[in-house]
Amino acid sequence: KQEVTQIPAALSVPEGENLVLNCSFTDSAIYNLQWFRQDPGKGLTSLLLIQSSQREQTSGRLNASLDKSSGRSTLYIAASQPGDSATYLCAVFQGAQKLVFGQGTRLTINP
Amino acid sequence: DAGVTQSPTHLIKTRGQQVTLRCSPKSGHDTVSWYQQALGQGPQFIFQYYEEEERQRGNFPDRFSGHQFPNYSSELNVNALLLGDSALYLCASSFPGRVADTQYFGPGTRLTVL
Repeated sequence: KQEVTQIPAALSVPEGENLVLNCSFTDSAIYNLQWFRQDPGKGLTSLLLIQSSQREQTSGRLNASLDKSSGRSTLYIAASQPGDSATYLCAVFQGAQKLVFGQGTRLTINP
Repeated sequence: DAGVTQSPTHLIKTRGQQVTLRCSPKSGHDTVSWYQQALGQGPQFIFQYYEEEERQRGNFPDRFSGHQFPNYSSELNVNALLLGDSALYLCASSFPGRVADTQYFGPGTRLTVL
């Protein structure tokens, strides 16, 4: 059974810092991996999709990496801003379409 | 281009009642998945619909059922509601014919069972 873990559960940093969020999964037989952002009480916003054949994917200040063999992914956020405050969720595709989620990292950027 | 839409936004029911939640996928998408997100947890997969058939199902009891219409919109039905069914219910859609492609989520329906 696939399990996805995100560490830390919560993180608070001052504005302007670069930071890394971690995601690990137990079964390396995944298709792709997707990172999401969730604002309180809202739906999920897709940030990045990394295909299983890729090692990195970038979008603006975000960079996600994937190491299938070690069962790890990281989301790097450069020059953090207060607007980046949200919960960040990592999810792996178990099978063609089913996503298995971690519990998320609650990020707070302090002005 | 409208994204994934869900209705209603909020819903309050009592134990034992039945509820129907609705989802319209993003334009051009034909696959709809439903997820349940309890407070402070990551979403959990309920089931997925494609070509009006349930294609895949997570570890949820038969009280949870669904339907997909010819226009690709979908409904989630929950019977005999329990207090533990209180959660945010999320709908996701994706492009046809693509494996493990980007999933687009709607804003969710917040269900409270009293």
